[in-house]
Amino acid sequence: DVKVTQSSRYLVKRTGEKVFLECVQDMDHENMFWYRQDPGLGLRLIYFSYDVKMKEKGDIPEGYSVSREKKERFSLILESASTNQTSMYLCASSLPRTGGRHQPQHFGDGTRLSIL
Amino acid sequence: GQNIDQPTEMTATEGAIVQINCTYQTSGFNGLFWYQQHAGEAPTFLSYNVLDGLEEKGRFSSFLSRSKGYSYLLLKELQMKDSASYLCAVRDSSGYNKLIFGAGTRLAVHP
Repeated sequence: DVKVTQSSRYLVKRTGEKVFLECVQDMDHENMFWYRQDPGLGLRLIYFSYDVKMKEKGDIPEGYSVSREKKERFSLILESASTNQTSMYLCASSLPRTGGRHQPQHFGDGTRLSIL
Repeated sequence: GQNIDQPTEMTATEGAIVQINCTYQTSGFNGLFWYQQHAGEAPTFLSYNVLDGLEEKGRFSSFLSRSKGYSYLLLKELQMKDSASYLCAVRDSSGYNKLIFGAGTRLAVHP
């Protein structure tokens, strides 16, 4: 089974702090994704990566950056945390889409981040 | 623009059948996924449709009509453990396996 592990289930930080969320997958997946999940809005894509050192902006990248130095690890960085970044953060990984295969994304359990 | 709509909440009775609808308007389409998410847990993959028609997997089935921009997830013989949120997601045509999610439907199954 694919295992996607997020470093913390719950995290409390203060406004202005630099925050690191870590995600590790054990299935040698090329693609990795960071989402935030808010009530009534569903999952929204922040950033994704399709290879080591490669990154692409998603739909809501403002205030965030990412790092992918190794294939198995994808980090989300809040440069200067603000209260509107309080949310559930979900990491996912997948194989590349090839041919007609569905290649679902596999998710971690999430990090509930509170910014005070 | 990208728009995926599904009902916010549904309730159903144990043993019954429930259908959760999803309509989408997206600039590209390369398949539709359904995920299940129990409270406080990771979303888990349920089903995938890329061609029109019905895909059956045990008690769960998923249907797709690309011309209508419409899908549904059918859950039969409901069990209490089926109480969860069900997320509809469309894969875009970027080639990066990116998904666009609806807001999710929270299903409550009662005795």
